[in-house]
Amino acid sequence: GAGVSQSPSNKVTEKGKDVELRCDPISGHTALYWYRQSLGQGLEFLIYFQGNSAPDKSGLPSDRFSAERTGGSVSTLTIQRTQQEDSAVYLCASSLGLPGGLQETQYFGPGTRLLVL
Amino acid sequence: QKEVEQNSGPLSVPEGAIASLNCTYSDRVSQSFFWYRQYSGKSPELIMSIYSNGDKEDGRFTAQLNKASQYVSLLIRDSQPSDSATYLCAVTSDSNYQLIWGAGTKLIIKP
Repeated sequence: GAGVSQSPSNKVTEKGKDVELRCDPISGHTALYWYRQSLGQGLEFLIYFQGNSAPDKSGLPSDRFSAERTGGSVSTLTIQRTQQEDSAVYLCASSLGLPGGLQETQYFGPGTRLLVL
Repeated sequence: QKEVEQNSGPLSVPEGAIASLNCTYSDRVSQSFFWYRQYSGKSPELIMSIYSNGDKEDGRFTAQLNKASQYVSLLIRDSQPSDSATYLCAVTSDSNYQLIWGAGTKLIIKP
């Protein structure tokens, strides 16, 4: 079946502009995660969705970052007034999200490479 | 602060040898443990998951978990140049839905 897809694959923008990144998870996966990865660094957790709800927004770096998920499927990460330090790869992952039990595998999309000039 | 620690490397191993990657974690309540492989410029992909103390083998890969000592390791037997990548260790937080990620160990397999 289809995996996690993300768009755009690459985005170059000017400082101060807003950008919108999209994630389409695996069908039937209720849990969705956004991460940020700077060059040569590990994964930085941004936000987690269970269905359309975001019980944990603790990783969002500032109020310029927001995310939403509609219909329990597609999610959008929006960065307002982009800064050069926002340049990174933004990764989306999804998992089954079954209640209780053990954590399931997270499946990653190909990422969006954002460059802020 | 819940943490997952990995040696950043690079770890250089000759082709055909055993590569040993280690990870320690701080949260005693963690229940699920994962090793992901990330090639340069690519997304992480799952290699192994382990939930119980002991060893779990899958082909050339063996994951080892010791909850008392709070470490998890990954052994790669008969290392191949294609195994050269960064290996990320991830463990569940107390919410059991979120993963705490290590920064990764860069592995280089030399022909």
